[in-house]
Amino acid sequence: GENVEQHPSTLSVQEGDSAVIKCTYSDSASNYFPWYKQELGKRPQLIIDIRSNVGEKKDQRIAVTLNKTAKHFSLHITETQPEDSAVYFCAASKNSGAGSYQLTFGKGTKLSVIP
Amino acid sequence: EADIYQTPRYLVIGTGKKITLECSQTMGHDKMYWYQQDPGMELHLIHYSYGVNSTEKGDLSSESTVSRIRTEHFPLTLESARPSHTSQYLCASSNWGETQYFGPGTRLLVL
Repeated sequence: GENVEQHPSTLSVQEGDSAVIKCTYSDSASNYFPWYKQELGKRPQLIIDIRSNVGEKKDQRIAVTLNKTAKHFSLHITETQPEDSAVYFCAASKNSGAGSYQLTFGKGTKLSVIP
Repeated sequence: EADIYQTPRYLVIGTGKKITLECSQTMGHDKMYWYQQDPGMELHLIHYSYGVNSTEKGDLSSESTVSRIRTEHFPLTLESARPSHTSQYLCASSNWGETQYFGPGTRLLVL
């Protein structure tokens, strides 16, 4: 099955700096890569996703890059703000039939933005 | 407003009790999922369903069972709760080829 490795497990940055979280996956057939943000006591919320036919996707201060050859993808947050503090999860999946994606999650990165 | 609802949000129960965690969605989604997550840790898929009368086990072995009699409803049942079942249980739903959206979760503590 799919295996997703996520690094680092914790990350502290100064407000205004950039943060980068990296994930690798094992199944070359995986073709969908979402990122979720989970604030303390809250549900995971999708912040950005990318499909394997795209190398990069950006949404305001958040961007994701995908390198299919190396089987890794990264989340980039620029101009970090205290409200960016949360646990971030990457995930990978492939179409498992019936149009459904079964997600395999990384172990998460706890991001702390220091004011 | 379209959303995913889970009840109860918190449950403290004694060993050996039968419990049912409720999940319902008004998203109009066909597919539903149950994940187990220890606080701040990774999510593990324990059950999923592609539609009514369809249920499958996920990657993480679980003693729980699920049913899908109605499209919008996907309850999870533990016949005999044990302390090892203490965790957070998250329900999610998605449509064809689309993102999974999560409910607020149920935090279960088995004494």
